[in-house]
Amino acid sequence: GENVEQHPSTLSVQEGDSAVIKCTYSDSASNYFPWYKQELGKGPQLIIDIRSNVGEKKDQRIAVTLNKTAKHFSLHITETQPEDSAVYFCAASPNGAGTALIFGKGTTLSVSS
Amino acid sequence: DVKVTQSSRYLVKRTGEKVFLECVQDMDHENMFWYRQDPGLGLRLIYFSYDVKMKEKGDIPEGYSVSREKKERFSLILESASTNQTSMYLCASSVPGQGNYEQYFGPGTRLTVT
Repeated sequence: GENVEQHPSTLSVQEGDSAVIKCTYSDSASNYFPWYKQELGKGPQLIIDIRSNVGEKKDQRIAVTLNKTAKHFSLHITETQPEDSAVYFCAASPNGAGTALIFGKGTTLSVSS
Repeated sequence: DVKVTQSSRYLVKRTGEKVFLECVQDMDHENMFWYRQDPGLGLRLIYFSYDVKMKEKGDIPEGYSVSREKKERFSLILESASTNQTSMYLCASSVPGQGNYEQYFGPGTRLTVT
């Protein structure tokens, strides 16, 4: 079955710096790759996603890149702010977008001011 | 706004008890999912359902069962709770297709089995 690896497990940056989180997946059939942000005491919330026919997608300070050949995708956050501090999860959907997700183990991002 | 509610935020049960975790969504979503979240292990899929009375096993179904009698409600059942089922349980729902593939999560139920 699909396996998603996520690195690093923790990431500390200064406010204003960029943060990059990387994920790899194993199943070439996966075609949908979302990123979720989980704040303390809340359920995860989608922040950006990308489908396999797109190489890059950007939404303000957040961008995701996908390399299908290498089976890896990355989350880029620019100009980080303290409110970006949270746990971030990548995921892959081996049975098509909208179906069950396989998640990475998460990255705890800390942004200090 | 999509709302996914879970019956309890915190629950304490004894070993061997039968435990019901309830999840209700108010947006007529076909798809519903149960995950458990443990430190360092991320979210792991327990069961999911794409329609009423339909269920599929996820990656870690052992010790769990589910029930979906109505479209808006998806219940997770621990037949005989054990201490290794102490965890955070997250329910999610989504709509298939239509270009929006987001899974909407509830706030979670933190279950402690003693």
